[in-house]
Amino acid sequence: DADVTQTPRNRITKTGKRIMLECSQTKGHDRMYWYRQDPGLGLRLIYYSFDVKDINKGEISDGYSVSRQAQAKFSLSLESAIPNQTALYFCATSNYMNTEAFFGQGTRLTVV
Amino acid sequence: AQSVTQLGSHVSVSEGALVLLRCNYSSSVPPYLFWYVQYPNQGLQLLLKYTTGATLVKGINGFEAEFKKSETSFHLTKPSAHMSDAAEYFCAVTLRNAGGTSYGKLTFGQGTILTVHP
Repeated sequence: DADVTQTPRNRITKTGKRIMLECSQTKGHDRMYWYRQDPGLGLRLIYYSFDVKDINKGEISDGYSVSRQAQAKFSLSLESAIPNQTALYFCATSNYMNTEAFFGQGTRLTVV
Repeated sequence: AQSVTQLGSHVSVSEGALVLLRCNYSSSVPPYLFWYVQYPNQGLQLLLKYTTGATLVKGINGFEAEFKKSETSFHLTKPSAHMSDAAEYFCAVTLRNAGGTSYGKLTFGQGTILTVHP
């Protein structure tokens, strides 16, 4: 089983719908992140959380919200999806002692 | 704030040729530096990282990178390309705090797609 699991892997939704992307990890890390990948733009940070009671906005948080339900779970919500939120979304984890991040397999979201 | 620039969105090489992927960064303090690889329909996998110490860093699959502070660069190389190296490569940085640990948040470059021809 993957250390960082994202569900769903693929999703097509309609404009205006609310959608939640989920991430769970078994690495025991305290820090979790949501990134968005667009062609030619690399990955950009949406939100991050350093522990259960800590939520921080990243570079591109508008139109998104997150919830850290437990140390191992971090979900990303699009309250009212719009077409320019079509992208590949990655969840990642890290530990304050480690420098590297570990990524999930990604969720490909299409908003039509 | 830090930033990362990868020169060349697409690089094409022949099998057996040298691979050189360029990365330059901007940071107010010496950062931690990373190269990640993304194979089709997969997540990102760490190739190598520079934190402290030796500036020439060896990673997986025969890749290496050299941290050059004076040039603010962290270019990725591999002496001989293999067909299996075809993927997208990302350079990333994160700041280190006063205690030497990482701030955790990564800033990525735009990515370079490597194509390897037979």
